[in-house]
Amino acid sequence: AQSVAQPEDQVNVAEGNPLTVKCTYSVSGNPYLFWYVQYPNRGLQFLLKYITGDNLVKGSYGFEAEFNKSQTSFHLKKPSALVSDSALYFCAVRGILTGGGNKLTFGTGTQLKVEL
Amino acid sequence: SQTIHQWPATLVQPVGSPLSLECTVEGTSNPNLYWYRQAAGRGLQLLFYSVGIGQISSEVPQNLSASRPQDRQFILSSKKLLLSDSGFYLCAWSVLGGYGYTFGSGTRLTVV
Repeated sequence: AQSVAQPEDQVNVAEGNPLTVKCTYSVSGNPYLFWYVQYPNRGLQFLLKYITGDNLVKGSYGFEAEFNKSQTSFHLKKPSALVSDSALYFCAVRGILTGGGNKLTFGTGTQLKVEL
Repeated sequence: SQTIHQWPATLVQPVGSPLSLECTVEGTSNPNLYWYRQAAGRGLQLLFYSVGIGQISSEVPQNLSASRPQDRQFILSSKKLLLSDSGFYLCAWSVLGGYGYTFGSGTRLTVV
C-alpha cells in the first residue's frame, strides 16, 4: 500500500524568503505524486504533479517541486513566499483501487504561515 | 470545461437525524467519483468511490452510505447521524486512467 509523510505540521517563513514544504512517499511501482493547497473551509486545489520526465516540476502560483527518487521525496518549493501563500498544503501519491479507479493517498498536511 | 458542484456548504444536524449530501459533475462522462472526510481540519480519509452508475466501494466501515443514481451524481447518506460524523466532506472526480482529482468546495457538517 502507498503512503505519504509530511513531517512538519507547520512551516513559518517570512515574506520574500524561499519556502520548502517536505514530503516523502512510499509506493510500489512508478510514483505519481501531487501537491494540493487548501484554504480555510474550501476544497483542495491542484498545484502540480509529477508523472514522468524532469525531476523539477513547475506548477501554479510560482510553486515548484523536486522529485528525488533515491530519497523518495517530493518537496514543494517557492523562491519567494507571499503572505497569500498561507494555507494548508497536502502531498499525495496515486495508487490503484481494487475496485478500479485511482486512489490518492494524502499526507496529513502542512500548515504554511507566511508573515510580513 | 468540467465543473463539480457540492451542496450544501454547511449543515448543522441533530444526532439521530438523516443526512443527504449531493455532488454533481458537469462537462465530463463516466467520471470516477470519490467521497473524502477531513476531520479536525487535517487528514483526508477516503470513504467511498465509484467507477460507474450503481457501483459503490467502501474504504472504511462506518455509519454512512453512498449511492450513484446517475452518471454524474454522487450522494452521501446516513439514516442516523452520530456525533463522530461531524467533519468536512469533500467530493472529487477523476477521469478513467487519469492522474489526479478535482475537488468540490466541500460541506461542513456539524452534528449536535
